[in-house]
Amino acid sequence: EPEVTQTPSHQVTQMGQEVILRCVPISNHLYFYWYRQILGQKVEFLVSFYNNEISEKSEIFDDQFSVERPDGSNFTLKIRSTKLEDSAMYFCASRVSGTPLSNYGYTFGSGTRLTVV
Amino acid sequence: RKEVEQDPGPFNVPEGATVAFNCTYSNSASQSFFWYRQDCRKEPKLLMSVYSSGNEDGRFTAQLNRASQYISLLIRDSKLSDSATYLCVVNRRGGTASKLTFGTGTRLQVTL
Repeated sequence: EPEVTQTPSHQVTQMGQEVILRCVPISNHLYFYWYRQILGQKVEFLVSFYNNEISEKSEIFDDQFSVERPDGSNFTLKIRSTKLEDSAMYFCASRVSGTPLSNYGYTFGSGTRLTVV
Repeated sequence: RKEVEQDPGPFNVPEGATVAFNCTYSNSASQSFFWYRQDCRKEPKLLMSVYSSGNEDGRFTAQLNRASQYISLLIRDSKLSDSATYLCVVNRRGGTASKLTFGTGTRLQVTL
């Protein structure tokens, strides 16, 4: 079964450093997402990306965050200057076009656990 | 009011029991509804979509009441392997604007 691949699985970084989280979506998928989950809290939408541009972003996704699809296969999330509160699990997801009831074929990656110290 | 609200639990049930989870959502324009399962420190995985007519998948039954903005999940004959957090998820709209909104989840622990 096709998978969304995320690397690294765990990243520890010092406060103020830049991090790049990487994702390889499923090859025929057209829509890409980042979600995050702070430990013990709910999964929250960060950003959606389609046709090489951001479709929507949440209020969490401030100027410290950016996304890119640099080479047609990778999809990256960059946090420019990490804060302690950025510590969370970050999930990449991708999907095809589809019907609402099919869940549009959303597939989540296994996540990157980011720890800011 | 939270967009998607669930009882966090935990629900501790013996193997073989029937357990029901409820969820309410606040946005009446929501288009589609799902139950996801999340194991500890893992990604959410789709358990089942929820249809207005109600739907069943083996031991799992989901119901949607659009008038009350209420979604339910019933698990019959619980197994140890059902222990997980069950996430109620709403998809606000489609196309490029598709976005999943998650509840905080209800934790289920099935015991011997």
